[in-house]
Amino acid sequence: GAGVSQSPSNKVTEKGKDVELRCDPISGHTALYWYRQSLGQGLEFLIYFQGNSAPDKSGLPSDRFSAERTGGSVSTLTIQRTQQEDSAVYLCASSQNRGVVETQYFGPGTRLLVL
Amino acid sequence: AQSVSQHNHHVILSEAASLELGCNYSYGGTVNLFWYVQYPGQHLQLLLKYFSGDPLVKGIKGFEAEFIKSKFSFNLRKPSVQWSDTAEYFCALRDTGRRALTFGSGTRLQVQP
Repeated sequence: GAGVSQSPSNKVTEKGKDVELRCDPISGHTALYWYRQSLGQGLEFLIYFQGNSAPDKSGLPSDRFSAERTGGSVSTLTIQRTQQEDSAVYLCASSQNRGVVETQYFGPGTRLLVL
Repeated sequence: AQSVSQHNHHVILSEAASLELGCNYSYGGTVNLFWYVQYPGQHLQLLLKYFSGDPLVKGIKGFEAEFIKSKFSFNLRKPSVQWSDTAEYFCALRDTGRRALTFGSGTRLQVQP
C-alpha cells in the first residue's frame, strides 16, 4: 500500500520567508509526527498529533514553528520568518497507535535550504 | 530526560565481515527500542523493534539485536554484511509515557566489496 508522502521533496527559500511543508500519512493511521534531521543535531522530534487530542508541541524549537492537521489526515508544518539554522530535512511519520506496539513509518522527507 | 548514544559514528567493513553497532540508552523505566536504516537516497525504514518478551529480536535482511536491560544496551548485529548494507543506521527509544521517538546520532556503515 501507499506509504507516507511528503511535499515538496526539496524547498529553497530566502531568509525571512515563510514556508509550508505537507505530509500525507498512511491511510487509517491516527497518529502523525514531525521530526527534523539536521547536521550536528541528528533526528529531533518536533510535534505529534493523535486523533482529535491536543497536539504534543514539546519539540518545537521556537514560536516560528507551527503545525496543523486537518480532518485527522493531512498535516502542514509552517515555518515563519525562516532562518538559516532551519535548513534541514523535515520528516513526517505516521502510525496506527496501537498502544505499546506502535511502530512509526516515515516519509521521504522535505529537504529545506534557507539561503 | 531519555537519551540514546551511538558511539560508532562511521564504520567501514569488507563484505562478509561481521557487524555489531552499539546502542546505549539512558532511561530508568520501561522502553521500546528500534533500529531504523536509511539507505542512500531513501527514507528511514524499520529494521527491527523490541517491545517485550524475548530480548533477542530478529529483523529484516538478516539483522538481529539483543536487548540487555542491565547494560541499557540494544546492539545491532549481522553475521555477514553485504555491499548493499551500506547505509546509515539509527537506534531509537520510546518510553511508555511519551509517543515520540528519541534517536541516536546514527552510524554510517560503509561496506567495501
